Amino acid sequence: ETGVTQSPTHLIKTRGQQVTLRCSSQSGHNTVSWYQQALGQGPQFIFQYYREEENGRGNFPPRFSGLQFPNYSSELNVNALELDDSALYLCASSAGLAFRNEQFFGPGTRLTVL
Amino acid sequence: AQSVTQLDSHVSVSEGTPVLLRCNYSSSYSPSLFWYVQHPNKGLQLLLKYTSAATLVKGINGFEAEFKKSETSFHLTKPSAHMSDAAEYFCVVSEKGGSQGNLIFGKGTKLSVKP
Repeated sequence: ETGVTQSPTHLIKTRGQQVTLRCSSQSGHNTVSWYQQALGQGPQFIFQYYREEENGRGNFPPRFSGLQFPNYSSELNVNALELDDSALYLCASSAGLAFRNEQFFGPGTRLTVL
Repeated sequence: AQSVTQLDSHVSVSEGTPVLLRCNYSSSYSPSLFWYVQHPNKGLQLLLKYTSAATLVKGINGFEAEFKKSETSFHLTKPSAHMSDAAEYFCVVSEKGGSQGNLIFGKGTKLSVKP
């Protein structure tokens, strides 16, 4: 059974650019959640996708957007990058909505914005 | 709104001594509570979870936590620390409702284990 994978592992962008991060969910999981973890902080919920539809969103601006594909893999897109977007971005998958279902996390993508 | 407070940002213990990582939560609903561990350059791993069954929850690697509603606490303990336990630990509450179960993380407690 393959776990959650994310790509790329590291990324450097400049302010104002756009970035796309990718996540492959664990086999059999139909729900993907994205989190932002700033240095020294706990992860913060960005949004969740369930069966290709956004199903819940945290306190992040619209320039953070996402997609989920029929195979349940997912993308996180961030437009107009700001310095504060520098963080570790974590993807987690689960078999159903995440209230009582264990979320399995990928290793993350480290984004640096210069 | 739900929230989690981890009372210590850093805990240092000696190998073989007990571990106590403290967590208090605030919740309008019956919460689900979790502890996750994050080793450097590795993904978050679930240690244990409470979902309104037994109040004493046993997890992996000898960790356990007790849900105390009267104290709104969910402290993580282990009788004897091992060097491999050194990592960042996050107490987490699951928010039921509009966000359909997204996880709300505490700020983390870094556990150091001295030989």
